[in-house]
Amino acid sequence: GAVVSQHPSWVICKSGTSVKIECRSLDFQATTMFWYRQFPKQSLMLMATSNEGSKATYEQGVEKDKFLINHASLTLSTLTVTSAHPEDSSFYICSARDTGDGDTGELFFGEGSRLTVL
Amino acid sequence: GQNIDQPTEMTATEGAIVQINCTYQTSGFNGLFWYQQHAGEAPTFLSYNVLDGLEEKGRFSSFLSRSKGYSYLLLKELQMKDSASYLCAVMDSNYQLIWGAGTKLIIKP
Repeated sequence: GAVVSQHPSWVICKSGTSVKIECRSLDFQATTMFWYRQFPKQSLMLMATSNEGSKATYEQGVEKDKFLINHASLTLSTLTVTSAHPEDSSFYICSARDTGDGDTGELFFGEGSRLTVL
Repeated sequence: GQNIDQPTEMTATEGAIVQINCTYQTSGFNGLFWYQQHAGEAPTFLSYNVLDGLEEKGRFSSFLSRSKGYSYLLLKELQMKDSASYLCAVMDSNYQLIWGAGTKLIIKP
């Protein structure tokens, strides 16, 4: 199946700093990528839909100025958590859908990035 | 509103069979997914149903009834490694995934 790579897997940062998480589709093109957040013992929550070449679409309650999303190419989307605070500590996961000829509707997930803000 | 319901937790015995149910109410329907998630890891894809009926894939099978807004995931010959959360998700008319809260499956020897 298709591969989505997410980096970094683990990141620890000080409160007030910014953290960038990358999501790459390795063997397919993805015009749309999704960013999710998962708090302990809770389900995945969609944060935003990242669209190549245009602005991301944010879900209600997600601050777009805090969670900056850039989808500059068909294989890369980045999520930047700006001025991170301890309450932003969470598991962030990206997913992508192969929007080319191989589109089966299946979503492919990155490995996830665990952010801890001290 | 959109809603996905599945049991919070289930317990089963190694070697047995377990069925995890999922009911949904969504704005449109473009398929139902089942994902497995071990603690601290990203979900992994198990199945995708868009037409009514049963899809079998090894020890796992998934069933869909669109008229009833109902699906189940059937796991046979349970192994200890099957202990995980199982997430039901429906893709709505905007191709957004609506997630259930997940069912934690505990396998006992």
